[in-house]
Amino acid sequence: KQEVTQIPAALSVPEGENLVLNCSFTDSAIYNLQWFRQDPGKGLTSLLLIQSSQREQTSGRLNASLDKSSGRSTLYIAASQPGDSATYLCAVRPYNNNDMRFGAGTRLTVKP
Amino acid sequence: NAGVTQTPKFQVLKTGQSMTLQCAQDMNHEYMSWYRQDPGMGLRLIHYSVGAGITDQGEVPNGYNVSRSTTEDFPLRLLSAAPSQTSVYFCASSYGGTTYNEQFFGPGTRLTVL
Repeated sequence: KQEVTQIPAALSVPEGENLVLNCSFTDSAIYNLQWFRQDPGKGLTSLLLIQSSQREQTSGRLNASLDKSSGRSTLYIAASQPGDSATYLCAVRPYNNNDMRFGAGTRLTVKP
Repeated sequence: NAGVTQTPKFQVLKTGQSMTLQCAQDMNHEYMSWYRQDPGMGLRLIHYSVGAGITDQGEVPNGYNVSRSTTEDFPLRLLSAAPSQTSVYFCASSYGGTTYNEQFFGPGTRLTVL
């Protein structure tokens, strides 16, 4: 059974800092990995989708990498801003399975 | 496009009551799914559908029913609500019913069962 872990559970950084969020998964047989942002009391907003054949994806100040063989993905946020404060979730799509598996998330606080 | 919409936003039920959570999407997505989110546990898949008339169970299907009569709508029914079903429920959709596509989520329904 695929397990997805996100460490740390919470992170607090000063504004302007570059930071990395981590996601690990136990089974490398995945189709893709998706990073989401969730604001308090809100739904999930898709940030980046990385297909299994890709190594990374970029969108603005966000860069996500995927190392399938080691079961790891990172989300890099450059020049963090208070508006980046949210919970960040990663999810993997296993082969032959419609059950998308989610991590519990990292709650990020960026202090002005 | 409205994207994925869910109603109601909030609901309080008493144990044993039944209700239907509504989900609709206007993106002509074939794949739709329901998740529940509990503190510290991430999201878990309840039921999903790869197209109209086709549904299947996810990780935590007990106590829930679904049907998919149209491409746009995918309601989730709670048959006899229990306190353990207190959670936030999210509906999601994506293209193609395949595993290669980005999922889009609705805003969620916050359900409390007393």
